[in-house]
Amino acid sequence: QKEVEQNSGPLSVPEGAIASLNCTYSDRGSQSFFWYRQYSGKSPELIMSIYSNGDKEDGRFTAQLNKASQYVSLLIRDSQPSDSATYLCAVFEIQGAQKLVFGQGTRLTINP
Amino acid sequence: SAVISQKPSRDICQRGTSLTIQCQVDSQVTMMFWYRQQPGQSLTLIATANQGSEATYESGFVIDKFPISRPNLTFSTLTVSNMSPEDSSIYLCSVGSETGNTIYFGEGSWLTVV
Repeated sequence: QKEVEQNSGPLSVPEGAIASLNCTYSDRGSQSFFWYRQYSGKSPELIMSIYSNGDKEDGRFTAQLNKASQYVSLLIRDSQPSDSATYLCAVFEIQGAQKLVFGQGTRLTINP
Repeated sequence: SAVISQKPSRDICQRGTSLTIQCQVDSQVTMMFWYRQQPGQSLTLIATANQGSEATYESGFVIDKFPISRPNLTFSTLTVSNMSPEDSSIYLCSVGSETGNTIYFGEGSWLTVV
């Protein structure tokens, strides 16, 4: 089982709709979870972090965490063409050496 | 957030040569990591750079190929040795707080080996 797994996509969503990105992880002891956005030709940009169960909202972005199910998601409301990018889920693992482990990424395209 | 500067930002390298990438942070950080992102792939951790001691390498990465230095809490280097075209990647420096609740990346170093 991969340590961090995302729905691989690509995901295509019409402009103005909600984009939903999902991620599961294997390290039950993990406490820190991140979503990064990566535009083509750029380095990853941190857009959301979440540490507690429940929802965390920041503008059009909502991160959801369920530690019992080992599941973290990102919702993008009112999707814009500028949201088209690859979204990377990352989990800070504490088993053994502490490190940030990435999922394979989901390519999201917002269609005007 | 910490400001992370990487040099070079981009380079084209000859097969068999080595290149050293520098990472400078504008504040002292405990945790510093080096990642690789091959074309079309996600990020893979190469090693954790430890201040004053040898780096901790992930499975599949060895010190002879990717020597790392970390002389202080604001600076680290990664060398890609004896490069081959398979080493063409983005190499990213990342820093984080001790609790791991904040992780940021530099702009990356885009290497092409010909």
